[in-house]
Amino acid sequence: QSVLTQPPSASGTPGQRVTISCSGGSSNIGSNTVHWYQQIPGTAPKLLISSDNQRPSGVPDRFSDSKSGTSASLAISGLQSEDEADYYCAAWDDSLKGRLFGGGTKLTVL
Amino acid sequence: DVQLVESGGGLVKPGGSLRLSCAASEFTFSSYSMNWVRQAPGKGLEWVSSLSGDTYYIFYADSVKGRFTISRDNAKNSLYLQMNSLRAEDSAVYYCAREPCSGNKCDGFDYWGQGTLVTVSS
Repeated sequence: QSVLTQPPSASGTPGQRVTISCSGGSSNIGSNTVHWYQQIPGTAPKLLISSDNQRPSGVPDRFSDSKSGTSASLAISGLQSEDEADYYCAAWDDSLKGRLFGGGTKLTVL
Repeated sequence: DVQLVESGGGLVKPGGSLRLSCAASEFTFSSYSMNWVRQAPGKGLEWVSSLSGDTYYIFYADSVKGRFTISRDNAKNSLYLQMNSLRAEDSAVYYCAREPCSGNKCDGFDYWGQGTLVTVSS
């Protein structure tokens, strides 16, 4: 069971805006940067959001994140069929002295 | 283009050992923190270990502490993971991943290898 909690699934129709939540604690999300990854099944994960809501080159601005206290969210606007993938949040944990991943959210584009 | 290529995976019996390698190219290897992340079949991502570019900072997940050892050879642009006392629950695809860090600030795993499969079974 992950210390960072994500909903196991999410869905939306093309063009919609969807959000994926990530809930943690004071030692991880509450005091460290949250990163988001996209993984298409059978392939390696890809960094979507790095520190300070920065998107690596090639990641469209339809992807954005936010954080409040010990929770974070990934928002995807203008949903496209190619966005169908698994999404993971991650953060350093000061107590565990390690990196945590959320359990992952499977996004389905209906 | 940045490349990370893992090797060394395979089938090993419980209690056995395996050494994974990750060959890096097209970037200044010694300037980056390097990590191992694993993914059991059909499961989510699990961070395993991290090693700073200067080898000063080393961290392990509790699940592998005392059994796995991360190391790097900056002259050979290579990252390693020595895995001992392997258990069935260590079966997974193991990815190496690069992370740019500046002081205490790290910017996420920006490049990943294709992964190497480790299967622990009798």
